[in-house]
Amino acid sequence: GENVEQHPSTLSVQEGDSAVIKCTYSDSASNYFPWYKQELGKRPQLIIDIRSNVGEKKDQRIAVTLNKTAKHFSLHITETQPEDSAVYFCAARYSGAGSYQLTFGKGTKLSVIP
Amino acid sequence: DTAVSQTPKYLVTQMGNDKSIKCEQNLGHDTMYWYKQDSKKFLKIMFSYNNKELIINETVPNRFSPKSPDKAHLNLHINSLELGDSAVYFCASSQDVGASQPQHFGDGTRLSIL
Repeated sequence: GENVEQHPSTLSVQEGDSAVIKCTYSDSASNYFPWYKQELGKRPQLIIDIRSNVGEKKDQRIAVTLNKTAKHFSLHITETQPEDSAVYFCAARYSGAGSYQLTFGKGTKLSVIP
Repeated sequence: DTAVSQTPKYLVTQMGNDKSIKCEQNLGHDTMYWYKQDSKKFLKIMFSYNNKELIINETVPNRFSPKSPDKAHLNLHINSLELGDSAVYFCASSQDVGASQPQHFGDGTRLSIL
């Protein structure tokens, strides 16, 4: 099955700086890569996703890049704000026969220091 | 209007008891999921149903039994609760089993076993 590694497990940045979270996946057949943000005591919420036919996607201060050859993808947050503080999860899903599940990374706790 | 709603939000009970968690989605989605999030925040798929049929059944003790009376509902019944069952359980749904369909999560049920 799929295995997703996520780094770092914790990340502290000063407000206004950029934050980068990296994930690698094991199955080259994976073709969908969402990122979720989970604030303390809340549900995971989808913030951005990318499909394997795209190398980069941007939404305001958030961007995701995908390198299929190296099997890794990254989340970039620019001009961080205190409200960006949360746990971020990457995930991967492959389209193999009979496969319907997302495999999540173990999460990155991002702290934005005012 | 809450898209994916779970009840109860909190569940505190004694070891050995049987309990149920209910989930309903009003998004018209065909596919629903149950995830377990442990104390280290790791999100792990437990079950998935597509149009009331079980399609994912990860390595979960037999004490856990999902039931889908219709495609808008996926309930989770747990028998003989154990200390290790303490976790937050999230229900989620997606349009269908398509590889790039985003999953929408409920607010979670925090289960505490005394």
